[in-house]
Parts: sequence; C-alpha cells; structure tokens
Amino acid sequence: DTEVTQTPKHLVMGMTNKKSLKCEQHMGHRAMYWYKQKAKKPPELMFVYSYEKLSINESVPSRFSPECPNSSLLNLHLHALQPEDSALYLCASSQVAVRSYNEQFFGPGTRLTVL
Amino acid sequence: DQQVKQNSPSLSVQEGRISILNCDYTNSMFDYFLWYKKYPAEGPTFLISISSIKDKNEDGRFTVFLNKSAKHLSLHIVPSQPGDSAVYFCAARKKNSGGSNYKLTFGKGTLLTVNP
Repeated sequence: DTEVTQTPKHLVMGMTNKKSLKCEQHMGHRAMYWYKQKAKKPPELMFVYSYEKLSINESVPSRFSPECPNSSLLNLHLHALQPEDSALYLCASSQVAVRSYNEQFFGPGTRLTVL
Repeated sequence: DQQVKQNSPSLSVQEGRISILNCDYTNSMFDYFLWYKKYPAEGPTFLISISSIKDKNEDGRFTVFLNKSAKHLSLHIVPSQPGDSAVYFCAARKKNSGGSNYKLTFGKGTLLTVNP
C-alpha cells in the first residue's frame, strides 16, 4: 500500500464552524506533514510530525490545530477560519529523515472553502 | 524571498520530443532536490530526485541534471507523452539541521502540455 488517503475530498464551512481534516497512511512512515496550497502557488508547509510528536510548526495560526493520534493517522482541526484560509490542504508522509532524505508521498488533498 | 525559482510558468511540446523543465535556486545550503508532478485535483506525485553530490540521475524517460556552480537543475523527459501533461514542481531541502530535514521548499511550478 503506497497510498496516502485524505477525507473529506471537499469541505465547505462557515467561519464559526468546527471541522476536521483526516489523513491516513499504511506505509509505516513515521513522519507526516500538512501543507496548504493556494491556486497557482506551490505547497506551503504547515506542520510536521515525527514519531507522533510535533516537530515543525511553521508559525501557523492557532485556528489550525494538528493532531497525530497514532503513527498512521494525522488530523487537522479547524475552528474560526477566515475566507482567506480557503485552499487545498495536502497531507504527506515519509520515512524519518536523518542523514539521508526520503521522498514525501502526498495524498490527493482536501479542497476547503470557507464562507 | 523565493529560494527555488521556476521561471517558466508553462511549456508546450510535441509528443515524442524532449521536454526540458528548468529550476534555479539561491540557497547554497540545499543538498537534495526533487521533482514532483501534479495533476489537477490530485496531490503531487514524486518523480525523481538528486543529491548535491551527483550531477545526473536517470529513471526511465526522466533525467535530472544538477549544475551546482550555476545553482541550476533541469528535468528532461524523453520522449514526451500526452499523459505527461501536468504541473511540475521543483523542490529542495537544506542540509541536515535537526527538524529542517523535513522541510521542502517548492518552486511555483511549470505547466507542461504535451500535444499529440
């Protein structure tokens, strides 16, 4: 299984809603990532988890709250978002990189629209 | 400050010909480079990578060339096929620096169209 799955595929939410994005992989990867991608822009890293611990937070606003309940799952909890947060949210996973680098495998993304 | 630049937003080639996608970088601390392909409504798919200690890596129809002195890399696709039509992202990683191992810096992407 070389797939990263994400649910839901599409999400429309109001600014007062609370929702969650989910990501799952069964490749035994111990590093998982959240990226945000706006139209015609490159993916921007938001968070990295390594061995289920938050390793990188790229100064993301607190209205985005990541969670890694186990080595296969990664969640992104959303609360009080703004319309400018509308974007494609990508999850990725990789082996843990120490001295060498291992490529990141991406999921198909969740298209989020904030009204 | 864009550290990874793909200056051509789009490229159009004929089926069977060579596609050459270019990428420039400014940070000499980058030690690993990757190319990803992205179809609409899908996540990026890893294509090929190259370490800074090499100048060429080949995988089937895809070859990546790295010119460290010019801080330039290119992706060659030969022969190009209509199914190669997608956005291609160049990405780079800085040398081992704790958590920075995980961080990729992406270029803005180049839309490749391969015409039948």
